[in-house]
Amino acid sequence: QITLKESGPTLVKPTQTLTLTCTFSGFSVSTSGVGVGWIRQPPGKALEWLALIYWDGDKRYSPSLRSRLTITKDTSKNQVVLTMTNMDPVDTATYYCAHSLYFYVSGHNWYFDLWGRGTLVTVSS
Amino acid sequence: SYELTQPLSVSVALGQTARITCEGNNIGSKNVHWYQQKPGQAPVLVIYRDITRPSGIPDRFSGSNSGNTATLTISRAQAGDEADYYCQLWDSSTVGVFGGGTKLTVL
Repeated sequence: QITLKESGPTLVKPTQTLTLTCTFSGFSVSTSGVGVGWIRQPPGKALEWLALIYWDGDKRYSPSLRSRLTITKDTSKNQVVLTMTNMDPVDTATYYCAHSLYFYVSGHNWYFDLWGRGTLVTVSS
Repeated sequence: SYELTQPLSVSVALGQTARITCEGNNIGSKNVHWYQQKPGQAPVLVIYRDITRPSGIPDRFSGSNSGNTATLTISRAQAGDEADYYCQLWDSSTVGVFGGGTKLTVL
């Protein structure tokens, strides 16, 4: 059974750096074709993809947030960490991590088959 | 950057068929996935790779993708199908992309 859980601060101040941890079980992030992605959702708004780490350590970032994001993995701890710098009130959102599956058809493809429950992060002074 | 456009809302009578569209440039050449999100809950994958249902998803849910439109079809709509639905794909330039979401109301 695959489970994922997000953890981190619920409140951060503007300009601070946010560090979120996704702790998972039931799979290994070093298995070929498997990754972990991060997605966020501001209150009442749509989902926004942020970052993804491949089984081999390759990484992809949202072009609009690339300069602020870093994703890393610790295979031995079954954790994936996302850091986002220079937080702003517009970054207030529920942040989800998701078990991601890869396939190659006319290029790289990923989808998110299992999600954590999410963690609400509020950015306010 | 690649954009996906969904209608803000779709309504369907109980027991009838709902169709939720996702529009994008030549989307038929890409692989589209669909998620259902109920209030206060995390999204759930309901269709992947255009047409495939994960285990546990009722066969009332189906998908299609051609030209500039991908469609999620929900047959025999039930009250429990009321939710927000999002399309998603992976684009070589934009990477991960979600549509703006569609609120499905079952009347």
